[in-house]
Amino acid sequence: DIVLTQAPLSVSVTPGESASISCRSSKSLLSSKGITSLYWYLQRPGKSPQLLIYQMSNLASGVPDRFSSSGSETDFTLKISKVETEDVGVYYCGHRLEYPLTFGSGTKLEIK
Amino acid sequence: QVKLLQSGAELVKPGASVKLSCKTSGFTFSTSYMSWLKQVPGPSIEWIGWIYAGDGGTNYNQKFKGKATLTVDKSSSTAYMDLSSLTSEDAAVYFCARDWGGFDYWGQGVMVTVSS
Repeated sequence: DIVLTQAPLSVSVTPGESASISCRSSKSLLSSKGITSLYWYLQRPGKSPQLLIYQMSNLASGVPDRFSSSGSETDFTLKISKVETEDVGVYYCGHRLEYPLTFGSGTKLEIK
Repeated sequence: QVKLLQSGAELVKPGASVKLSCKTSGFTFSTSYMSWLKQVPGPSIEWIGWIYAGDGGTNYNQKFKGKATLTVDKSSSTAYMDLSSLTSEDAAVYFCARDWGGFDYWGQGVMVTVSS
C-alpha cells in the first residue's frame, strides 16, 4: 500500500498569515495518463471531510483561491494564504493512483 | 443540491452485524460510484471500498473483504454497507461519499459503537 506521510502534525497560524502542509508519498503518484493522483481534504471540527484539491493542483468547486497545491511525483505542499478562522481543522492528503486508496494521518491547523 | 443522508448512530453487540444506509439526492445516482470510509480517533481515514450504482459492481480494500458488503437500491438512490462479526476494532465513524475522481460529497457520518 502507498504510505502518505504528512508534516507537521499540527501548525498554529496567525490570521492573515500563510501556512504550508507537506505530504510525502512512498511511491510516485504520477499515473500513466500523466495525472498526479494527489488530493487534499479538510475536516473542520465536528464535520465531514470536504474536498479541497484534486489531481494535485486543481481547486474543487467552491474552494477559495487562498488554497493552492503543488509538488513533484512524491512530494507535495498545500499552501493556505491569508489564513482565516474558518480554515481551522485537520487537513488530509490522499491518493487515487492504485488500490487501496490511502490517506495521510492528517495535519491539524489551529489559529493563534 | 447534492445531499448524502446517513442513518443514525448504532450500538451493536460484539459478533453482531449492522447495516448502514446512505440516502442520496441531487445527482444521478445510477451512474455514480459510492465509496465508504472509516474514521477512527487518531485521527485517520481508511477507504473501505466503492460500489458502482449502475450495475452493483464493487471494489474492496483487501483489509475489509469479508467485513464489509456494499449494496445499492437504485429505486431509492440509497447505498448500503453491511458490517459483519463486529468487534471493538470496528468501532468508528463511517462515511459514505460520492466517488467522483475525488470524494466530492460526503455524508454526515455515522458512529458505530460495539459493546455488550
